[in-house]
Amino acid sequence: AQSVTQLGSHVSVSEGALVLLRCNYSSSVPPYLFWYVQYPNQGLQLLLKYTTGATLVKGINGFEAEFKKSETSFHLTKPSAHMSDAAEYFCAVSASSYGGATNKLIFGTGTLLAVQP
Amino acid sequence: SQTIHQWPATLVQPVGSPLSLECTVEGTSNPNLYWYRQAAGRGLQLLFYSVGIGQISSEVPQNLSASRPQDRQFILSSKKLLLSDSGFYLCACQRGPATNEKLFFGSGTQLSVL
Repeated sequence: AQSVTQLGSHVSVSEGALVLLRCNYSSSVPPYLFWYVQYPNQGLQLLLKYTTGATLVKGINGFEAEFKKSETSFHLTKPSAHMSDAAEYFCAVSASSYGGATNKLIFGTGTLLAVQP
Repeated sequence: SQTIHQWPATLVQPVGSPLSLECTVEGTSNPNLYWYRQAAGRGLQLLFYSVGIGQISSEVPQNLSASRPQDRQFILSSKKLLLSDSGFYLCACQRGPATNEKLFFGSGTQLSVL
Protein backbone atom coordinates (compact mmCIF):
# COMPACT_ATOMS: atom_id res chain seq x y z
CA ALA A 1 0.00 0.00 0.00
CA GLN A 2 1.07 3.56 -0.62
CA SER A 3 0.84 6.65 1.53
CA VAL A 4 2.05 10.22 1.43
CA THR A 5 2.98 12.65 4.17
CA GLN A 6 3.29 16.35 3.51
CA LEU A 7 5.04 18.20 6.29
CA GLY A 8 3.58 21.61 6.92
CA SER A 9 0.01 22.40 6.00
CA HIS A 10 0.92 26.07 5.61
CA VAL A 11 4.17 27.50 4.28
CA SER A 12 4.88 31.20 3.92
CA VAL A 13 7.81 32.63 1.98
CA SER A 14 8.84 36.05 0.78
CA GLU A 15 8.79 36.90 -2.88
CA GLY A 16 12.14 35.91 -4.37
CA ALA A 17 12.92 33.40 -1.63
CA LEU A 18 13.42 29.68 -2.04
CA VAL A 19 10.32 27.52 -2.00
CA LEU A 20 10.62 24.10 -0.37
CA LEU A 21 7.57 21.90 0.07
CA ARG A 22 8.21 18.57 1.70
CA CYS A 23 6.78 15.22 0.73
CA ASN A 24 7.64 11.79 2.04
CA TYR A 25 6.10 8.65 0.71
CA SER A 26 5.67 5.04 1.66
CA SER A 27 5.37 2.35 -0.97
CA SER A 28 5.92 -1.37 -1.04
CA VAL A 29 6.73 -1.25 -4.76
CA PRO A 30 8.62 1.25 -6.89
CA PRO A 31 6.50 4.38 -6.81
CA TYR A 32 5.33 6.90 -9.30
CA LEU A 33 5.30 10.34 -7.69
CA PHE A 34 3.40 13.45 -8.61
CA TRP A 35 2.95 17.03 -7.56
CA TYR A 36 -0.36 18.70 -8.32
CA VAL A 37 -1.19 22.36 -7.82
CA GLN A 38 -4.52 24.00 -7.19
CA TYR A 39 -4.59 27.75 -7.78
CA PRO A 40 -7.37 29.76 -6.13
CA ASN A 41 -10.72 29.08 -7.76
CA GLN A 42 -9.20 26.69 -10.25
CA GLY A 43 -9.06 22.95 -10.66
CA LEU A 44 -6.14 20.69 -9.95
CA GLN A 45 -3.38 20.47 -12.52
CA LEU A 46 -0.25 18.42 -12.81
CA LEU A 47 2.94 20.25 -11.89
CA LEU A 48 5.42 17.43 -12.48
CA LYS A 49 5.83 13.70 -12.13
CA TYR A 50 8.50 11.08 -11.59
CA THR A 51 8.11 7.67 -13.14
CA THR A 52 11.50 6.25 -14.06
CA GLY A 53 14.87 7.55 -15.16
CA ALA A 54 16.33 10.84 -14.03
CA THR A 55 15.58 11.49 -10.39
CA LEU A 56 15.50 15.27 -10.77
CA VAL A 57 12.28 16.20 -12.48
CA LYS A 58 11.47 19.61 -13.87
CA GLY A 59 7.93 20.86 -14.07
CA ILE A 60 6.00 23.91 -15.10
CA ASN A 61 6.54 27.42 -13.75
CA GLY A 62 10.13 26.76 -12.67
CA PHE A 63 9.34 24.04 -10.13
CA GLU A 64 11.37 20.88 -9.78
CA ALA A 65 11.43 17.88 -7.50
CA GLU A 66 14.01 15.25 -6.71
CA PHE A 67 13.22 11.61 -6.06
CA LYS A 68 15.41 10.30 -3.25
CA LYS A 69 14.81 6.65 -2.69
CA SER A 70 17.09 6.44 0.34
CA GLU A 71 15.08 9.16 2.06
CA THR A 72 11.71 8.16 0.57
CA SER A 73 11.24 11.80 -0.32
CA PHE A 74 10.03 13.84 -3.26
CA HIS A 75 10.38 17.45 -2.13
CA LEU A 76 9.24 20.26 -4.39
CA THR A 77 11.46 23.31 -4.84
CA LYS A 78 11.63 26.55 -6.72
CA PRO A 79 14.64 28.89 -6.45
CA SER A 80 12.69 32.14 -6.40
CA ALA A 81 9.05 32.47 -5.38
CA HIS A 82 6.61 34.63 -7.32
CA MET A 83 3.37 36.03 -6.04
CA SER A 84 1.58 33.91 -8.62
CA ASP A 85 2.89 30.74 -6.94
CA ALA A 86 0.44 31.17 -4.08
CA ALA A 87 -1.67 28.01 -4.24
CA GLU A 88 -2.25 24.67 -2.59
CA TYR A 89 0.17 21.93 -3.53
CA PHE A 90 -0.52 18.22 -3.31
CA CYS A 91 1.98 15.41 -3.42
CA ALA A 92 0.69 12.06 -4.66
CA VAL A 93 1.97 8.52 -5.06
CA SER A 94 0.86 5.55 -7.06
CA ALA A 95 2.26 2.10 -7.57
CA SER A 96 4.28 1.42 -10.66
CA SER A 97 2.59 -1.37 -12.54
CA TYR A 98 3.67 -3.68 -15.28
CA GLY A 99 0.56 -5.76 -15.40
CA GLY A 100 -2.14 -3.23 -16.00
CA ALA A 101 -3.12 -3.24 -12.37
CA THR A 102 -5.40 -0.54 -11.18
CA ASN A 103 -3.82 2.70 -10.26
CA LYS A 104 -4.76 4.26 -6.97
CA LEU A 105 -3.36 7.74 -6.79
CA ILE A 106 -3.02 8.56 -3.13
CA PHE A 107 -2.73 12.22 -2.22
CA GLY A 108 -1.18 13.97 0.72
CA THR A 109 -3.13 16.45 2.81
CA GLY A 110 -1.80 19.41 0.87
CA THR A 111 0.40 22.42 1.64
CA LEU A 112 -0.94 25.91 1.27
CA LEU A 113 1.80 28.19 0.01
CA ALA A 114 1.57 31.90 0.77
CA VAL A 115 3.96 34.35 -0.89
CA GLN A 116 4.55 37.64 0.91
CA PRO A 117 5.58 40.78 -1.00
CA SER B 1 -6.78 15.31 -24.36
CA GLN B 2 -9.51 14.34 -22.00
CA THR B 3 -12.32 16.65 -20.97
CA ILE B 4 -14.29 15.98 -17.82
CA HIS B 5 -17.77 17.30 -17.26
CA GLN B 6 -18.94 17.31 -13.69
CA TRP B 7 -22.19 18.68 -12.35
CA PRO B 8 -23.67 20.36 -10.50
CA ALA B 9 -21.03 22.87 -9.43
CA THR B 10 -22.71 23.53 -6.10
CA LEU B 11 -25.36 21.66 -4.21
CA VAL B 12 -27.14 22.23 -0.92
CA GLN B 13 -29.03 19.25 0.41
CA PRO B 14 -30.81 18.49 3.68
CA VAL B 15 -29.69 15.66 5.90
CA GLY B 16 -31.35 12.41 4.89
CA SER B 17 -31.94 13.38 1.28
CA PRO B 18 -30.50 11.39 -1.65
CA LEU B 19 -27.53 12.43 -3.74
CA SER B 20 -26.48 11.91 -7.33
CA LEU B 21 -23.38 13.52 -8.79
CA GLU B 22 -22.55 12.79 -12.39
CA CYS B 23 -19.27 12.83 -14.22
CA THR B 24 -18.78 12.24 -17.94
CA VAL B 25 -15.56 12.06 -19.90
CA GLU B 26 -14.72 12.98 -23.48
CA GLY B 27 -11.63 12.37 -25.53
CA THR B 28 -10.62 8.93 -24.38
CA SER B 29 -11.89 5.39 -24.23
CA ASN B 30 -11.76 2.91 -21.39
CA PRO B 31 -10.37 5.39 -18.87
CA ASN B 32 -9.72 4.78 -15.22
CA LEU B 33 -12.19 6.94 -13.30
CA TYR B 34 -11.99 8.23 -9.75
CA TRP B 35 -14.05 10.06 -7.18
CA TYR B 36 -12.13 12.11 -4.65
CA ARG B 37 -13.35 14.25 -1.78
CA GLN B 38 -11.39 17.29 -0.71
CA ALA B 39 -11.92 18.32 2.89
CA ALA B 40 -10.10 21.03 4.78
CA GLY B 41 -6.99 19.67 6.44
CA ARG B 42 -7.47 16.24 4.93
CA GLY B 43 -6.37 16.79 1.38
CA LEU B 44 -7.75 14.63 -1.36
CA GLN B 45 -9.32 11.44 -0.14
CA LEU B 46 -9.87 8.68 -2.66
CA LEU B 47 -13.45 7.42 -2.42
CA PHE B 48 -13.95 5.14 -5.42
CA TYR B 49 -12.13 4.09 -8.55
CA SER B 50 -13.19 2.15 -11.59
CA VAL B 51 -11.24 0.43 -14.34
CA GLY B 52 -14.25 -0.45 -16.46
CA ILE B 53 -18.01 -0.60 -16.81
CA GLY B 54 -19.60 -2.02 -13.70
CA GLN B 55 -16.25 -2.34 -11.93
CA ILE B 56 -16.14 -0.26 -8.77
CA SER B 57 -13.68 -0.39 -5.92
CA SER B 58 -14.40 1.40 -2.68
CA GLU B 59 -11.54 2.82 -0.69
CA VAL B 60 -13.32 4.16 2.36
CA PRO B 61 -16.34 2.65 4.15
CA GLN B 62 -18.99 5.31 4.12
CA ASN B 63 -22.42 6.46 3.26
CA LEU B 64 -21.70 6.79 -0.44
CA SER B 65 -21.73 4.50 -3.46
CA ALA B 66 -20.56 4.75 -7.04
CA SER B 67 -21.64 3.29 -10.34
CA ARG B 68 -20.29 3.18 -13.86
CA PRO B 69 -23.14 2.39 -16.20
CA GLN B 70 -21.22 3.43 -19.32
CA ASP B 71 -17.55 3.56 -20.27
CA ARG B 72 -17.28 7.30 -19.80
CA GLN B 73 -19.87 7.91 -17.12
CA PHE B 74 -19.22 7.77 -13.39
CA ILE B 75 -21.90 8.49 -10.80
CA LEU B 76 -21.56 9.15 -7.09
CA SER B 77 -24.67 8.48 -5.02
CA SER B 78 -26.10 8.34 -1.57
CA LYS B 79 -29.50 7.18 -0.36
CA LYS B 80 -29.41 9.36 2.75
CA LEU B 81 -26.91 12.17 3.18
CA LEU B 82 -25.17 12.83 6.47
CA LEU B 83 -23.73 16.11 7.70
CA SER B 84 -20.28 14.58 7.38
CA ASP B 85 -20.80 14.11 3.64
CA SER B 86 -20.28 17.83 3.11
CA GLY B 87 -17.21 18.59 1.08
CA PHE B 88 -15.78 19.24 -2.34
CA TYR B 89 -16.09 16.27 -4.67
CA LEU B 90 -13.81 15.80 -7.62
CA CYS B 91 -14.11 13.39 -10.50
CA ALA B 92 -10.87 12.42 -12.20
CA CYS B 93 -9.95 10.54 -15.32
CA GLN B 94 -6.81 8.73 -16.37
CA ARG B 95 -5.91 6.96 -19.55
CA GLY B 96 -5.78 3.35 -18.48
CA PRO B 97 -4.31 0.97 -17.69
CA ALA B 98 -0.84 2.48 -17.16
CA THR B 99 -0.42 3.97 -13.74
CA ASN B 100 2.03 6.68 -14.67
CA GLU B 101 -0.52 8.66 -16.61
CA LYS B 102 -1.56 11.90 -15.04
CA LEU B 103 -5.03 12.51 -13.75
CA PHE B 104 -7.34 15.02 -15.33
CA PHE B 105 -9.76 16.54 -12.88
CA GLY B 106 -13.25 17.88 -13.28
CA SER B 107 -14.20 21.27 -11.90
CA GLY B 108 -15.71 19.74 -8.78
CA THR B 109 -18.97 19.89 -6.86
CA GLN B 110 -19.22 21.77 -3.58
CA LEU B 111 -21.74 19.82 -1.50
CA SER B 112 -23.22 21.33 1.64
CA VAL B 113 -25.41 19.10 3.77
CA LEU B 114 -27.55 21.06 6.22
